[in-house]
Amino acid sequence: AQSVTQLDSHVSVSEGTPVLLRCNYSSSYSPSLFWYVQHPNKGLQLLLKYTSAATLVKGINGFEAEFKKSETSFHLTKPSAHMSDAAEYFCVVPRGDKLIFGTGTRLQVFP
Amino acid sequence: EAQVTQNPRYLITVTGKKLTVTCSQNMNHEYMSWYRQDPGLGLRQIYYSMNVEVTDKGDVPEGYKVSRKEKRNFPLILESPSPNQTSLYFCASSSLGSSYNEQFFGPGTRLTVL
Repeated sequence: AQSVTQLDSHVSVSEGTPVLLRCNYSSSYSPSLFWYVQHPNKGLQLLLKYTSAATLVKGINGFEAEFKKSETSFHLTKPSAHMSDAAEYFCVVPRGDKLIFGTGTRLQVFP
Repeated sequence: EAQVTQNPRYLITVTGKKLTVTCSQNMNHEYMSWYRQDPGLGLRQIYYSMNVEVTDKGDVPEGYKVSRKEKRNFPLILESPSPNQTSLYFCASSSLGSSYNEQFFGPGTRLTVL
């Protein structure tokens, strides 16, 4: 059955340094995969979506993710963190008509 | 403005007192869903609906009911709330009756059951 594992519950970076949020998926086939972001006291917003058209997916706010089938990974990256990136990030995989969320990674950005 | 609205945003209640959390979307979406968010567990799907009069259980449906009488509304009903249902609840919707499309989330309802 499809599932996702977010490898870090917290990540801290300094403003201007790269961001890496890790996600591994478990699936018997190449799934669709999503990254959502939740800013404090807000609902979730789609960052980007992989649907097998291209392995490198660009999203909003300068984020991108690369689908690597050999590593069953879909890590989220950004070259240079901004204070406004501080939020919780969720890796998500559909399972039939349902959505399976990872446990989330809280990103802290220090000045 | 395209949006998903939830009411109330905050609710404190007591064990056993029936409550309803409303969810409404103005995007004519077929797919609607309820999630609960708990620390360290991410979001877990409670119920979802592919269209009017079509609902199905998610991963944590126990203690909850839903209905989908109109396309825009998808209320979540707790017939007899218990303290373990204290959580942050999100409603979401998407087009084309599928979980593979972008989900639009409401602002959340923070529920405390004493």
